[in-house]
Amino acid sequence: EVQLVQSGAEVKKPGESLKISCKASGYSFPTSWIGWVRQVPGKGLEWMGIIYPADSETRYSPSFQGQVTISVDKSISTAYLHWSSLKASDTAMYYCARRLERITIFGDITRWFDPWGQGTQVTVSP
Amino acid sequence: DIQMTQSPPSLSASVGDRVTITCRASHNISIKLNWYQHKPGKGPKVLIYAASTLQSGVPSRFSGGGSGTDFTLTISNLQPEDFATYFCQQSYSTPQYTFGQGTKLEIK
Repeated sequence: EVQLVQSGAEVKKPGESLKISCKASGYSFPTSWIGWVRQVPGKGLEWMGIIYPADSETRYSPSFQGQVTISVDKSISTAYLHWSSLKASDTAMYYCARRLERITIFGDITRWFDPWGQGTQVTVSP
Repeated sequence: DIQMTQSPPSLSASVGDRVTITCRASHNISIKLNWYQHKPGKGPKVLIYAASTLQSGVPSRFSGGGSGTDFTLTISNLQPEDFATYFCQQSYSTPQYTFGQGTKLEIK
């Protein structure tokens, strides 16, 4: 079974660092992009960025560039989301997801995300 | 950036009903539109990709349509397990895979 299992909930203080994880199983980890998504309480989903485990090529949404770092450890099929200095506004649920793709009827590539991790709640409070 | 506008924000319906959720893109995104179901305490689950292709294992009462800027997700014969929040997502402008604001489907 293909699955992504995320690390548990975290409670941190502003200014602290944090790294949360997303462990993949059931497929070839290096050859599928893994993305991260934020959901602030009561709000929709925000795209953060994506990484290709085979070579660690990473692309960030402009809103999150410089705010977080996405990385992987291929040896243990795990992706990470890291903050060096948390803010209260980082309080949210975070999801990882595997990207899939195929050729459309028009000859170009379409992409979607499956599966998703169960989510990691991050709470930042003084 | 491509903006995705979803409507309605919430919807009340009964078991057995048919409902339609719409998603509008700010630019032409061809058929690069995905639909997800999201239940509390779980990660989102893909229902439809490429606007109308049903993900393997998803019941056929879910269907998607549209192209360009206007898209729909239709759920026929609503079942109790279908009450959840639904999101659209564009995959045209990578790597900015923006989402709609979500539609919460509640039991009437």
